[in-house]
Amino acid sequence: EDKVVQSPLSLVVHEGDTVTLNCSYEVTNFRSLLWYKQEKKAPTFLFMLTSSGIEKKSGRLSSILDKKELSSILNITATQTGDSAIYLCAVEDNNAGNMLTFGGGTRLMVKP
Amino acid sequence: NAGVMQNPRHLVRRRGQEARLRCSPMKGHSHVYWYRQLPEEGLKFMVYLQKENIIDESGMPKERFSAEFPKEGPSILRIQQVVRGDSAAYFCASSPPVDGVNEKLFFGSGTQLSVL
Repeated sequence: EDKVVQSPLSLVVHEGDTVTLNCSYEVTNFRSLLWYKQEKKAPTFLFMLTSSGIEKKSGRLSSILDKKELSSILNITATQTGDSAIYLCAVEDNNAGNMLTFGGGTRLMVKP
Repeated sequence: NAGVMQNPRHLVRRRGQEARLRCSPMKGHSHVYWYRQLPEEGLKFMVYLQKENIIDESGMPKERFSAEFPKEGPSILRIQQVVRGDSAAYFCASSPPVDGVNEKLFFGSGTQLSVL
């Protein structure tokens, strides 16, 4: 059974801080790892990672995959209050089509 | 994502009643997934459907839960004889029939089910 574990469970920082969120996984036949941001509504897509060591970047957010360590990190620099959300990591198994296995999420709160 | 429409947004039921949750996928999408999110937890897969077919229901409780995606109309997640433990946010997601879309799944805004 595929499994995704995220840490920390929650995090409180102040605006301007840099944060690193962790995701580790066990998957039978790895296809991709995805990061989502969930505010009050639907999860919204951030990144999809398939290759080790290649950083994906979008503004202040970046993410990288380490297939050897079966893990990924999501970095957010110069955090803003609008970054407050639950960040979800998910993995896709080649044997499971588009079905994703999600971790429990990291709840980030950015204080002014 | 506004393209996947779920209704109702909030649903209140008393124990023993039935809950019906609806999901209209994005235009052109023929794959629908239902996920459940309990408070303070991540999303748990429930069922994957294509038009008129259940592809994978390994995440569905064996009793009281059922899902369908008819040829015409929205996908329905049905919970019979609801219990308090069914209280959760239920998210629907859809994907196109051909793989290769970067975002993989497009999520609806969810239905928050509260069982009194």
